[in-house]
Amino acid sequence: AQTVTQSQPEMSVQEAETVTLSCTYDTSESDYYLFWYKQPPSRQMILVIRQEAYKQQNATENRFSVNFQKAAKSFSLKISDSQLGDAAMYFCAYRSAESGNTPLVFGKGTRLSVIA
Amino acid sequence: KAGVTQTPRYLIKTRGQQVTLSCSPISGHRSVSWYQQTPGQGLQFLFEYFSETQRNKGNFPGRFSGRQFSNSRSEMNVSTLELGDSALYLCASSQLYLARETQYFGPGTRLLVL
Repeated sequence: AQTVTQSQPEMSVQEAETVTLSCTYDTSESDYYLFWYKQPPSRQMILVIRQEAYKQQNATENRFSVNFQKAAKSFSLKISDSQLGDAAMYFCAYRSAESGNTPLVFGKGTRLSVIA
Repeated sequence: KAGVTQTPRYLIKTRGQQVTLSCSPISGHRSVSWYQQTPGQGLQFLFEYFSETQRNKGNFPGRFSGRQFSNSRSEMNVSTLELGDSALYLCASSQLYLARETQYFGPGTRLLVL
């Protein structure tokens, strides 16, 4: 079974600075999707960014970008110019594209604090 | 377009009771998934429905069940509640039952079992 590991339970960043959240995953598959979700204190889970494993180019969405290292099974999220509204739990998630329609597998999350 | 809605937002029940949670997907979305979120276990998959059929089920006891209606709305039911069922229950919808589809989450239902 696939597993997702987020080794940083908590992180903090100064406003306007850059922070990188780590995520590693374990899989024997070659075709899959990776996601970063954000869960603010209001609890609504919001998609931040997604990456298709067959695409070598790293995904970017405005201030959010990923560093996808397929061989290393690493999928880190970089937040540039951090804002107070970025404070939230961030979850890394994996979804197989090979084993039928399997569900999202989530990491335990990283709580990000943004310091004004 | 309205997002995923879940009702009720908060529930308090006692052990042994049963509860039904509702999820309305984004208009046009036909796949609905349910997840349980707890501080200890994190986010765990419960089940996924598409076209009124359960397509996938997580490792939860039979006390957890669900269904999907013809309008894609979904309900999940937990019978004989236990203290450990206290959690945030999240519903997510996607257009199709495909791995490439992004799942969009609702605000969740917070269940407290006393």
